[in-house]
Amino acid sequence: DAKTTQPPSMDCAEGRAANLPCNHSTISGNEYVYWYRQIHSQGPQYIIHGLKNNETNEMASLIITEDRKSSTLILPHATLRDTAVYYCIVRVEETSGSRLTFGEGTQLTVNP
Amino acid sequence: DSGVTQTPKHLITATGQRVTLRCSPRSGDLSVYWYQQSLDQGLQFLIQYYNGEERAKGNILERFSAQQFPDLHSELNLSSLELGDSALYFCASSVEVSCSGNTIYFGEGSWLTVV
Repeated sequence: DAKTTQPPSMDCAEGRAANLPCNHSTISGNEYVYWYRQIHSQGPQYIIHGLKNNETNEMASLIITEDRKSSTLILPHATLRDTAVYYCIVRVEETSGSRLTFGEGTQLTVNP
Repeated sequence: DSGVTQTPKHLITATGQRVTLRCSPRSGDLSVYWYQQSLDQGLQFLIQYYNGEERAKGNILERFSAQQFPDLHSELNLSSLELGDSALYFCASSVEVSCSGNTIYFGEGSWLTVV
């Protein structure tokens, strides 16, 4: 598995941009970077994914470095409801199946 | 709402018993995944099915088994339950079995408490 490294916790002020970093230095050329978040024991929620190019959707932006060894998830205007554990995942593709391997994630706390 | 439905939402049972957790994937999704999340282990991949066939296996105990039926719903069977099996069990689904670009959506989980 391509391992990912994330800071265990981060704080952000409400209304400010939250920038969550992730290192994935052993990522392979055809492996995607996925971001999920989990709000206190709810099901993990898909946020965004990307391969090489930067991606943006209604929830967030994903910036992937040119060498693909790291990425940053950006929540442009964090709200209290964005408090959650954020998981950066490199999706493993095996010969007959694929999986998401979750690490410890980053506990993001958005403060009023 | 992810479109993945899991039942029951909560379950309390005694050690040594057997339970079945059920999952209905999103409409059109052929792949189903099961994950276990306990307090000390984080989210652990258990098993994946695609269109009725087992495709990938993770840290699934021999006491646990799963299957995917022709209508694509899946069941996770947990037997000879131990206290340590108490956890949240998540089901997830996606369209294809092996395509890094497609999205996996998770259900809200089934809380299992073994007493």
